[in-house]
Amino acid sequence: SQELEQSPQSLIVQEGKNLTINCTSSKTLYGLYWYKQKYGEGLIFLMMLQKGGEEKSHEKITAKLDEKKQQSSLHITASQPSHAGIYLCGALGGGSQGNLIFGKGTKLSVKP
Amino acid sequence: DAGVIQSPRHEVTEMGQEVTLRCKPISGHNSLFWYRQTMMRGLELLIYFNNNVPIDDSGMPEDRFSAKMPNASFSTLKIQPSEPRDSAVYFCASSFPAGGETQYFGPGTRLLVL
Repeated sequence: SQELEQSPQSLIVQEGKNLTINCTSSKTLYGLYWYKQKYGEGLIFLMMLQKGGEEKSHEKITAKLDEKKQQSSLHITASQPSHAGIYLCGALGGGSQGNLIFGKGTKLSVKP
Repeated sequence: DAGVIQSPRHEVTEMGQEVTLRCKPISGHNSLFWYRQTMMRGLELLIYFNNNVPIDDSGMPEDRFSAKMPNASFSTLKIQPSEPRDSAVYFCASSFPAGGETQYFGPGTRLLVL
């Protein structure tokens, strides 16, 4: 079965610094989703990547899917306290109806 | 749109009691997913429905868990009898194919079984 490994597990950065979170799959990715979760809340959809080499940006967050479609990275530029939370990557699990498998998440703390 | 609605937001019950979690998907979405999140295991898919029909329930832990979707706007997840190890946050999510399978999550139900 497909597994997603995220690194690092947790990250503490100073406000204003850049950071990168990685998501590696044991199998080829046919759809890679990035979500953000704040404590006690649901998951907020950030971006979806499907094509090898694809890159998408939203405000100061950029996500990339490598050419081989087995690894994705999420990069935050000039981090702010509002970026703090848990970032999860999810991938289509192979079911025809779009069920997702998730990584364990990366906990990001931003120090003001 | 109100987004995915879940109730209750918090539930505290005693071992052996029946627990029912409720979900209202986003109008027009035809797929609905139930997930469980714990510190140890992360986010796990329990069951998902497409057009109100259960497609894959292989993630349901055991017979104590059951899920129904009587119509396109309502789903329940029932645990009977509940056990302390069922304590977790339970999320409901919905999606529609034209949206690229992007799932939109509800706020979750935080369940504590004493």
